Formats: sequence, structure tokens, C-alpha cells
Amino acid sequence: QQPVQSPQAVILREGEDAVINCSSSKALYSVHWYRQKHGEAPVFLMILLKGGEQKGHEKISASFNEKKQQSSLYLTASQLSYSGTYFCGTEITPDMRFGAGTRLTVKP
Amino acid sequence: ETGVTQSPTHLIKTRGQQVTLRCSSQSGHNTVSWYQQALGQGPQFIFQYYREEENGRGNFPPRFSGLQFPNYSSELNVNALELDDSALYLCASSLSGANVLTFGAGSRLTVL
Repeated sequence: QQPVQSPQAVILREGEDAVINCSSSKALYSVHWYRQKHGEAPVFLMILLKGGEQKGHEKISASFNEKKQQSSLYLTASQLSYSGTYFCGTEITPDMRFGAGTRLTVKP
Repeated sequence: ETGVTQSPTHLIKTRGQQVTLRCSSQSGHNTVSWYQQALGQGPQFIFQYYREEENGRGNFPPRFSGLQFPNYSSELNVNALELDDSALYLCASSLSGANVLTFGAGSRLTVL
């Protein structure tokens, strides 16, 4: 089963913050986050391993709560370059199952 | 370090035809996975190849098949094309044991 992402779409002004959520009905051992810009390949952002560890990438960070089977991606002080579709992925080795994505649009 | 390259970038086929998509993996990567991405959806796992053998398969029929070559490049073949096969096909390479995927830009297939 694919993880479920929310919201489906977000529109922000530059400098605003956003949170994207990812949840799974199955036990999670790790969560991956990717960003795909229009017409481009998905690009790896970060991986979170069980333990509630928070990771960061520029002004983008994420948390992982394996007990709740949830992960959240935090985008702070958003920039125009953050626009794109964000996917969370959960490992069901060797498969990576992706959510349907959250389309983020940052406007000037 | 070269990334993942895919060819062709776009192609149009008709129902019943066959198609072959190609992928060159990132230097140093020995595992290739193929994904189908329908419009507005996340990538769906088709299969993975490691050491020239299929190493796992998603919920796709046998008319989807693949190959991996000694240089770790790969092909995806789809026979008896159906309209629903229209999608972006993504190839991703990785290093065995590490599931961080490096994606190519994809091959967009349109079936008429």
C-alpha cells in the first residue's frame, strides 16, 4: 500500500512556511523524501530512519515518528526554488512505495 | 560523475505495438529500478534488476519485462501496448544495500 500524503497542494508566498505530512498503514522503518520539478527527475532530499530523528537539508527538515507511522516535511522561509511536487517514499524492499505527492507552489 | 540517462525522452505508439526504453545508470551504481508515473500520481514500482537478474517486481503484468546488462545499463520492454500504459517511465539507479535512488528524467510514452 502506498503512503498517504497531505495536503495534495499548497500555495505559498516567498518566506512562508509549510508542512507536508506522510502516513502509512504499515510499520515504517524508514521514510524517504524526494522533490520533482515540472518535467524533471525526482531528486532525493533526505532519508529518515526509525528513532524520531530529525534531518535537515537547507531550510527543509523532516521528522519521523515510527510509532505513529508518520513523517512530516517542514519547509521554512520558502524560496521560489522550493516549488515542485514532494513525494514521500517508504521502503518495502526492494520496492520503494511513493505517495501521490504534494504540489507546492511558491509565489513572489 | 554522470547521472542517470534515459532514452528516448518522448515517444508515441499505437495500441498493440511494442516499445523498448533504455537507461544508463549512474557511475558506480549496480542496481536499476523502473517506475511508472501516471499524470498527477507518484511513481509506481515496476521491477528492479541487480546483477542482471530481476530482484523484485511490482503489480505489473508479464508483458512488462526488462534486462540489465553487464555495464549495469538496463532496458524496459512493454509488449501489446494498451492505452493505460501512457505514462512517464522513470529509471532509477542505486547501490545495492542503499535504497537512495538517483532518477533519470524519464521517457514519456503516449499510446494512441
